[in-house]
Amino acid sequence: DTGVSQDPRHKITKRGQNVTFRCDPISEHNRLYWYRQTLGQGPEFLTYFQNEAQLEKSRLLSDRFSAERPKGSFSTLEIQRTEQGDSAMYLCASSSTGASTNEKLFFGSGTQLSVL
Amino acid sequence: GEDVEQSLFLSVREGDSSVINCTYTDSSSTYLYWYKQEPGAGLQLLTYIFSNMDMKQDQRLTVLLNKKDKHLSLRIADTQTGDSAIYFCAESPGYSSASKIIFGSGTRLSIRP
Repeated sequence: DTGVSQDPRHKITKRGQNVTFRCDPISEHNRLYWYRQTLGQGPEFLTYFQNEAQLEKSRLLSDRFSAERPKGSFSTLEIQRTEQGDSAMYLCASSSTGASTNEKLFFGSGTQLSVL
Repeated sequence: GEDVEQSLFLSVREGDSSVINCTYTDSSSTYLYWYKQEPGAGLQLLTYIFSNMDMKQDQRLTVLLNKKDKHLSLRIADTQTGDSAIYFCAESPGYSSASKIIFGSGTRLSIRP
């Protein structure tokens, strides 16, 4: 299967600890997105990359959050000094840009973060 | 600002048609999407419609777009138990500099026997 994969599927951590999630997009996709989804809500945009460049960050992304995509392939999302409000599903998606502005996102299964 | 709204729940009898509605605010949206999310899974793109179209049909799915009222609907014909999921409406802004897609809160579709 060559879909979007995320690791780990679940992460339980104590408040104040740092966590890092990984996303491997579909190999030919040049865009990679991070979204956050809380219970009963739709995904909220956090940030996206085109190749290795981080082109936009949401104001939801506080200073404790950092994302990287060093070689334009996989990406990591790190949350420092986690807070209980960070508990959510973190979704990664990828897409391929072309002449069209149609962004068809392909999502991974997400990383469920629980901060105790 | 951009906003996408949906009703939270819909219950239909197996074999009936389901109609899920959505309203959006960004009149410059170029594409509108329907995604499906099953428990414990990521979102799966079901279908999309370009803003200059008013209808698109794809097997059991029919998308209707009323651009004047900024209203989008998804009709699922002959609803089956496997259609139970959360359905998200989403819009893509009309400007190319930021391609983030904005999602609604989702409509949970449940199927009665």
